[in-house]
Formats: sequence, structure tokens, C-alpha cells
Amino acid sequence: ETGVTQTPRHLVMGMTNKKSLKCEQHLGHNAMYWYKQSAKKPLELMFVYSLEERVENNSVPSRFSPECPNSSHLFLHLHTLQPEDSALYLCASSQWDRGNSPLHFGNGTRLTVT
Amino acid sequence: AQKVTQAQTEISVVEKEDVTLDCVYETRDTTYYLFWYKQPPSGELVFLIRRNSFDEQNEISGRYSWNFQKSTSSFNFTITASQVVDSAVYFCALTYNSGGSNYKLTFGKGTLLTVNP
Repeated sequence: ETGVTQTPRHLVMGMTNKKSLKCEQHLGHNAMYWYKQSAKKPLELMFVYSLEERVENNSVPSRFSPECPNSSHLFLHLHTLQPEDSALYLCASSQWDRGNSPLHFGNGTRLTVT
Repeated sequence: AQKVTQAQTEISVVEKEDVTLDCVYETRDTTYYLFWYKQPPSGELVFLIRRNSFDEQNEISGRYSWNFQKSTSSFNFTITASQVVDSAVYFCALTYNSGGSNYKLTFGKGTLLTVNP
């Protein structure tokens, strides 16, 4: 399998649930990202991991907890979410130390919080 | 400040028309990279093209062409003879060096292109 794979594609969860989003990249990249895309809003960078170390956390609420166990896998653990957290969550990977390295995105997880 | 502006929020054309998507950027860096991504309804952002700040040569790839002009800080994208499959949100993005080997990517807000049959 090639590219960036995200699971699940769709997720509906209540505000008291705990769930996790999974991302896997098969491109040999050393950086992985979580983006949030809400309707009518620009892409929001949430977290960046480079060589499994978190290098950026853009003031994301603690109900979102990322985990990067190795350079190929990235998780986003969700708990006690709010309805406004409903969005498309996109994972991406790239070569961190090359400014000309494009991001490769997964298909995203469409999250609905009820 | 680094910034990417896509002033066109939505564009609607009829199939076979040519359409240009505008992108204007701001950066203080002399070395930077510009990108275009396509996001079809399926959700995945697909990388289309990369251009570095030292290469102002325009590029053509099939029906797609890109016009990079440093004098106006623009990196516009033209689709010739548009097709329904071109319907998507298109994002322009800018990478700049934020220190050492760290690079940051800034996206524009995107332009929704609808191509009607």
C-alpha cells in the first residue's frame, strides 16, 4: 500500500465518548501532521511531529491528544469533544528538513460530534 | 508576515471554458516555495505543482498551466478547456524557512471551482 492512509473514513461520536483517529504513511517521510478543516474555514494546522517528536502544537484544546509512536504512524486521541469539533481531520506527511517537500495527504476522517 | 491570499472564494464555469485561479503571496524571505493542491469532493488534498522562488519559468502540464510572477507576488493557475472532473477546491500554499532546517507551510483559504456540464 502506498501514500497516506487514514482510518476511519467517517466517525460519529457522542460528547462523552473516547475514540482515536489513525494515520499511516508509506512514503518514508520523517514528519507527520494533523490538520482540521471545518466548513467555511481555512485549513488549521493542529500538530506537527518530526522524527517522532512534537515540534508544533497550535493551541489545540487538550481534548485532542496526538501520539506518534514511530515515523510511519500518527494517532489523534479524542475525548469529551464538543459539537464544534465536527470537521474533516486530515493527516499529512513530508520530509521535514526540505522546504520544497510537498505534503502528502490522506483522505481524511469526517468526524461528527453529536 | 507570511501570507497567501486567494481572493476568489467560488468560481463557476461551463465545461470547456478556460478558468484562472488567482494566488497572491507575502513573504520577507528570498528563498521560498509555492504549491498548488487540489481537493476533490472525496477530501484528499492532491499535490499539483511546486515552484521555488528562483525559478520564474512558467509551467504547463496538459490542460494545467501556472504563471509565477515575483514582481507581483502572484502564482496563478489556469485550467484550459475545463472539465467536470476539475470541480474541486484548489489551495495555494507557501513554504518559508522559520529558522534552521525548519520550514512552515501556509495555505490560502482555497477557491471552490465548479465546472458545469
